[in-house]
Amino acid sequence: QVQLVQSGAEVKKPGSSVKVSCKGSGGTLSSYVISWVRQAPGQGLEWMGGIIPMFGTAKYAQKFQGKVTLTAVESTNTVYMELSRLTSEDTAVYYCARGSGWDFFEYWGQGTLVTISS
Amino acid sequence: DIQMTQSPSSLSVSIGDRVTITCQASQDISESLNWYQQKPGKAPKLLIYDASNLKTGVPSRFSGSGSGTDFTLTISSLQPEDIATYYCQQYDNLLSMYTFGLGTKLDIK
Repeated sequence: QVQLVQSGAEVKKPGSSVKVSCKGSGGTLSSYVISWVRQAPGQGLEWMGGIIPMFGTAKYAQKFQGKVTLTAVESTNTVYMELSRLTSEDTAVYYCARGSGWDFFEYWGQGTLVTISS
Repeated sequence: DIQMTQSPSSLSVSIGDRVTITCQASQDISESLNWYQQKPGKAPKLLIYDASNLKTGVPSRFSGSGSGTDFTLTISSLQPEDIATYYCQQYDNLLSMYTFGLGTKLDIK
């Protein structure tokens, strides 16, 4: 069965960057849309961007343009989300999710808590 | 950008209730609308895709309807395990973009 396994929780200082990984098992991620969704404490879901690993080009929500970078390494079946210039407002759980196309998210990672603290 | 207005934001319910949650798009999105369930500390789960298609394995008490700008998620007879927050999500596969509603939190009356 398809599983998305994300890297562990991070604590970062304001102004720094963080890189979170999402590794697929039970199937290749290459031809699927892998998106990242953010959830701040007590808040709703927010789509950040998505990438199709075999093509390598990413699409970002306008709010996150220049703030987030999505990359993929096909050989390890892993997608990465890097968030830069961190502020306290970036404290959130970050999820990766897989869709067959730019449609629905059928599979989700377990989430990675990123805490920004000085 | 397309905006999604979900209502109500919270709902107090009893076991066995028929529950209806609505989502309204700011423009016609045809049937490009999905519904998710999220329990505390867990990742969201897909319930309904393309407005009315039940994901395999999701109980038949869940149903979705609508097209254009107005959509509904219905739980025909609420069970204890349905206490959760529900989100609608619009997708635009031409622009490769998604928008979530703000969520509806169910709690026990």
